[in-house]
Parts: sequence; structure tokens; C-alpha cells
Amino acid sequence: QKEVEQNSGPLSVPEGAIASLNCTYSDRGSQSFFWYRQYSGKSPELIMFIYSNGDKEDGRFTAQLNKASQYVSLLIRDSQPSDSATYLCAPEGLTGGGNKLTFGTGTQLKVEL
Amino acid sequence: GAGVSQSPSNKVTEKGKDVELRCDPISGHTALYWYRQSLGQGLEFLIYFQGNSAPDKSGLPSDRFSAERTGGSVSTLTIQRTQQEDSAVYLCASSLRGRYEQYFGPGTRLTVT
Repeated sequence: QKEVEQNSGPLSVPEGAIASLNCTYSDRGSQSFFWYRQYSGKSPELIMFIYSNGDKEDGRFTAQLNKASQYVSLLIRDSQPSDSATYLCAPEGLTGGGNKLTFGTGTQLKVEL
Repeated sequence: GAGVSQSPSNKVTEKGKDVELRCDPISGHTALYWYRQSLGQGLEFLIYFQGNSAPDKSGLPSDRFSAERTGGSVSTLTIQRTQQEDSAVYLCASSLRGRYEQYFGPGTRLTVT
């Protein structure tokens, strides 16, 4: 089982719709979860983090966390073409020499006009 | 403030040559990470430095790869006897002590011909 699993997509949604991006993780000890956005040809950019079970909202973005199910998701409301990118899920965990982020391979989102 | 900087932005080298890639983290960030991202692929963790602790080298793919961090700040990733499969974007990230969120530099695109 991969440490972090994401559907690679592409996930296509029409402009204005809600995009739902999902991630499961294997380390039950993970306490902090991060979402990064990566535009094609660019480096990853931090957009959201969540520590507690439930929802956390920031503008059009909502992160949802369910530690019992080892599941974290990112909702993007009123999707715009500028949201088209790859979204990386990154839980914190004890790996190798210390606690650090483990990145999923990402879900490609395409927002269509 | 200034973000993570990396140099060069692009490097083309011949197979068998050695290359050095440089990363200058955000001022005050004690942790520094190197990743590799091949075209269309996810982030591959290479090495992690945290303050004066021994680095986590668990992601280095072979003994041709090495990295050092001088004075707890600037880091250099060295690839000896480059191979075509080393062609990728090399990304550096940094974070504050006690924080997991990482901030990425723009990357160095390495092409081995």
C-alpha cells in the first residue's frame, strides 16, 4: 500500500462547479495535512493545511479531514480555469530520519469553460 | 521577504560529467529538503537537513548523488558521472524548525545529453 494515495485524474469539472479532490494515507500517526497546488512547469505552492478532524474553510477552498478513516479531501467551490493544476496531498509523518511531509503523486484538475 | 532561490535555473550537461545544483533557503529556515521530479511524475524525496543534525539521506538513488549544507544555510546537491536518467527538475524546499509546511524554490531543470 502506498503511503499517500491520490487519483491521478485528470478530473474535469465545468467552470463554476465544485471540484472534489481526495487523498488517503497509511500512517495513523499523521497529525498535520497539507495541500499544495502545482501549475504545469512550476514548483508546488502551499494552499491549505488542516490539523483537526472536520472542515477548514479558506475562501473558495475547504479542506476536510477524517483521521479515523485516514482520509483528507480538498473542495474547490466555484471552480475557475485558473484552478487547473495538479493538487498534491502531503500528510506529515515519521519517515526516514524524522517527521516530515510525504507527498502524494497528485490529482490533475482541469476546469473547463 | 525573499523565497527559496535555486541556481542555475537550467543546466544542460553531457553524460558522465559532474554537476552542482545550489539552493538558498528562506532566511531563518532550519530545515532544507531536496526533491527530484521527472516529467509528468510526482515528487521524489532525496535528502533532508535539519539544523546541525545528521541529514536524512534515505532518498538518494545512488552513491553518485550527494549533498551538503554549509553553515546551516546554503545547500549544494552534487551529481557525479551524470546519466540520462538523471534528467529531471530538482526542487529545493525549506521550513521553519517545528513547522512541517515546506516552501519550494523554482527548481533547476537538468538535462543530460
